[in-house]
Amino acid sequence: GQQVMQIPQYQHVQEGEDFTTYCNSSTTLSNIQWYKQRPGGHPVFLIQLVKSGEVKKQKRLTFQFGEAKKNSSLHITATQTTDVGTYFCAGEWDTDKLIFGTGTRLQVFP
Amino acid sequence: KAGVTQTPRYLIKTRGQQVTLSCSPISGHRSVSWYQQTPGQGLQFLFEYFSETQRNKGNFPGRFSGRQFSNSRSEMNVSTLELGDSALYLCASSSDLVGKLFFGSGTQLSVL
Repeated sequence: GQQVMQIPQYQHVQEGEDFTTYCNSSTTLSNIQWYKQRPGGHPVFLIQLVKSGEVKKQKRLTFQFGEAKKNSSLHITATQTTDVGTYFCAGEWDTDKLIFGTGTRLQVFP
Repeated sequence: KAGVTQTPRYLIKTRGQQVTLSCSPISGHRSVSWYQQTPGQGLQFLFEYFSETQRNKGNFPGRFSGRQFSNSRSEMNVSTLELGDSALYLCASSSDLVGKLFFGSGTQLSVL
């Protein structure tokens, strides 16, 4: 079935270190979205990637969509304690429904 | 603009009972999706409604059902509750068929 595999499941970093989470699909995606969920909160939309090889930046966050549109990554440069939360990717395959990855929980130690 | 509103915020039920959860989307949004979130399984897609029609359904048993009204408000029903149904149920609305999702705060359901 359609699913996105997301790794790692957990990541603990020291404040100031970089962080990357990866999503993979066995089949070509139409687009991929990224969400952040703070502890005790609900998922909040970060970005949507549609084009092959697309790279988008939001301040310290860099999002990439693979050339084959089967994988994506989110990279955070110089993490801060405000980056704590779970980051989800969500893929869509021309089915008009978003399937979420299992998420990567990021913990940042000051 | 008000965000997505879900009621109730918390719910405690016993096995065998049934429950109805409510979701009011952002004004003007016609698409409403429901997700089940558990610590081990992440966000699992339940179903999606657009203009009162169920467009997509996830892999959940028939005990899980939903509907959408003409004002885009949506309800989700779970019958014959099981312990494993304990989860955070999130509703999300979107202005497009697969646009960005705006989530509500969720309903935390505990089945005892």
